[in-house]
Amino acid sequence: KAGVTQTPRYLIKTRGQQVTLSCSPISGHRSVSWYQQTPGQGLQFLFEYFSETQRNKGNFPGRFSGRQFSNSRSEMNVSTLELGDSALYLCASSLVAGALYEQYFGPGTRLTVT
Amino acid sequence: LAKTTQPISMDSYEGQEVNITCSHNNIATNDYITWYQQFPSQGPRFIIQGYKTKVTNEVASLFIPADRKSSTLSLPRVSLSDTAVYYCLVGFGNEKLTFGTGTRLTIIP
Repeated sequence: KAGVTQTPRYLIKTRGQQVTLSCSPISGHRSVSWYQQTPGQGLQFLFEYFSETQRNKGNFPGRFSGRQFSNSRSEMNVSTLELGDSALYLCASSLVAGALYEQYFGPGTRLTVT
Repeated sequence: LAKTTQPISMDSYEGQEVNITCSHNNIATNDYITWYQQFPSQGPRFIIQGYKTKVTNEVASLFIPADRKSSTLSLPRVSLSDTAVYYCLVGFGNEKLTFGTGTRLTIIP
């Protein structure tokens, strides 16, 4: 069974631009969560989607948004990029939404904002 | 308010058993305890999950005392490939996963 895939793996953007990251969950998984990881803040939860609905949201500004499609694939968008948005963005999928269930993480997208 | 507290780092020699303890004083009745492992530039990987007493799988054991205010991840006979960051999480059901700072484990040859 194929794992979680994220595209692109690496991205360089300029301040003020916007970016869209994509995540394809494991087949059959309906929950997708997004995390931001930086050396200073560690792993921080962005949001979780289940059956195309956002179920949980972390403490991030409105510049960070996401969506989930009917095939469970998910995208996250960051508008008006800031230098502090440089991070590894991780996507995780699970069969069912929630902390109780095993999350399968993708390799991440490394975003660099210059 | 952080839900879990772990040592920031630990060192161990190859072949030894490593125990990483996590404190979760405010654990709720319905919360489960889950451990993840993360290698550099990779996403975290599920290791083990438990509610009480002891859980064992092919890679680790998880010990949870009766009061459930702490838990200990035990890695038997570690090797260099066990060098990673280990995260302890507590939560249940619809809650989002909240990762703490984790424990950076370094295995010394």
